[in-house]
Amino acid sequence: GAVVSQHPSWVICKSGTSVKIECRSLDFQATTMFWYRQFPKQSLMLMATSNEGSKATYEQGVEKDKFLINHASLTLSTLTVTSAHPEDSSFYICSARLPGAQPQHFGDGTRLSIL
Amino acid sequence: QQQVKQSPQSLIVQKGGISIINCAYENTAFDYFPWYQQFPGKGPALLIAIRPDVSEKKEGRFTISFNKSAKQFSLHIMDSQPGDSATYFCAASKEGNQFYFGTGTSLTVIP
Repeated sequence: GAVVSQHPSWVICKSGTSVKIECRSLDFQATTMFWYRQFPKQSLMLMATSNEGSKATYEQGVEKDKFLINHASLTLSTLTVTSAHPEDSSFYICSARLPGAQPQHFGDGTRLSIL
Repeated sequence: QQQVKQSPQSLIVQKGGISIINCAYENTAFDYFPWYQQFPGKGPALLIAIRPDVSEKKEGRFTISFNKSAKQFSLHIMDSQPGDSATYFCAASKEGNQFYFGTGTSLTVIP
């Protein structure tokens, strides 16, 4: 149980393109989803907390207009990297939490490469 | 400010040995302490977790030891296997809110 699916797993695109990443909770309803960014050999950096039906809460230093988060349903949250540039290249990971539960269940991440 | 400090950064253990990874935290309000295992190119997978009302939790070869007074907790992997080679992250959270992750430990188990 508690499976989180992330799509796509890998995307390469040109600078200036907008990229959408989907995060789905497959067998449970997630009122809260989290988006992380991870650089090679580093820890996970929380970008934002996404609550279903409300605006995401962004961490300090994360550009809201750059990283658009939508959590329109209890099983789907999306992260859109707008006008992506090479410095946005990274490993993006989402996680989801069952209501009232502590563990976060992670997707397998999306490797984003901007040329 | 790093809420959770993790050590060592890397660890090499022989097959069959014990791997020990340590974490320390500052915020006494934290009430949930999970350990995650991450393989290259994959997301972290929950390994084992503990709450501060117990001092130890064991699941198979994995044990968490928790010292509330010292604000420290550790992961012990008994009978380490090459398949355990991965990066391990400790974390801490309060009341289901955001996780504060440690910096990670790269474990290599040599045959």
